[in-house]
Amino acid sequence: AQSVTQPDIHITVSEGASLELRCNYSYGATPYLFWYVQSPGQGLQLLLKYFSGDTLVQGIKGFEAEFKRSQSSFNLRKPSVHWSDAAEYFCAVAPSGGYQKVTFGTGTKLQVIP
Amino acid sequence: GAVVSQHPSRVICKSGTSVKIECRSLDFQATTMFWYRQFPKQSLMLMATSNEGSKATYEQGVEKDKFLINHASLTLSTLTVTSAHPEDSSFYICSAISGQDSYEQYFGPGTRLTVT
Repeated sequence: AQSVTQPDIHITVSEGASLELRCNYSYGATPYLFWYVQSPGQGLQLLLKYFSGDTLVQGIKGFEAEFKRSQSSFNLRKPSVHWSDAAEYFCAVAPSGGYQKVTFGTGTKLQVIP
Repeated sequence: GAVVSQHPSRVICKSGTSVKIECRSLDFQATTMFWYRQFPKQSLMLMATSNEGSKATYEQGVEKDKFLINHASLTLSTLTVTSAHPEDSSFYICSAISGQDSYEQYFGPGTRLTVT
């Protein structure tokens, strides 16, 4: 069975600082990987996804993520955080070849301080 | 991009009553829709998968008689919480995929259900 671990429940960064949110997955083959962002009381917005190919994936809002097979990781990064980035971030994994059974991590809440 | 709406965004109902939540794909045909439940400060838990014109597939532990799902058309799925109880209070989120791009789920904005 697939699983996703987001080890950081809560992260605080200063505006303008760089950000890295960690995500580790467990899956027998190369999965499909996603990062979503959720603002309070809202649904999820897809930031980026990895299916195959280049392991460095560019997303919206200046985010990027790198797939590292050897580490079973898919960490999310942003070079300079804006106050509007404060939200909850979810890493998710799905079996390659289909959308079924997307498994979400427990989320990382990002707080941005001035 | 693909847009999914949910209605209502918030609903308060009394214990023992039923409440219906609608999920609509506005600009694409959704071959499959998903219903999730999110508890405070927790992740999304998949409740069921619904395909247009067929019965929904429920995840283990989800009561199908309590959470009725109807995917009547390619743009509409409904979740009815029957005989609601306070423990059913939660944030319910739907998502949809289209046949042409079946690897990406498009999420609705969610519905906050409070049962008093």
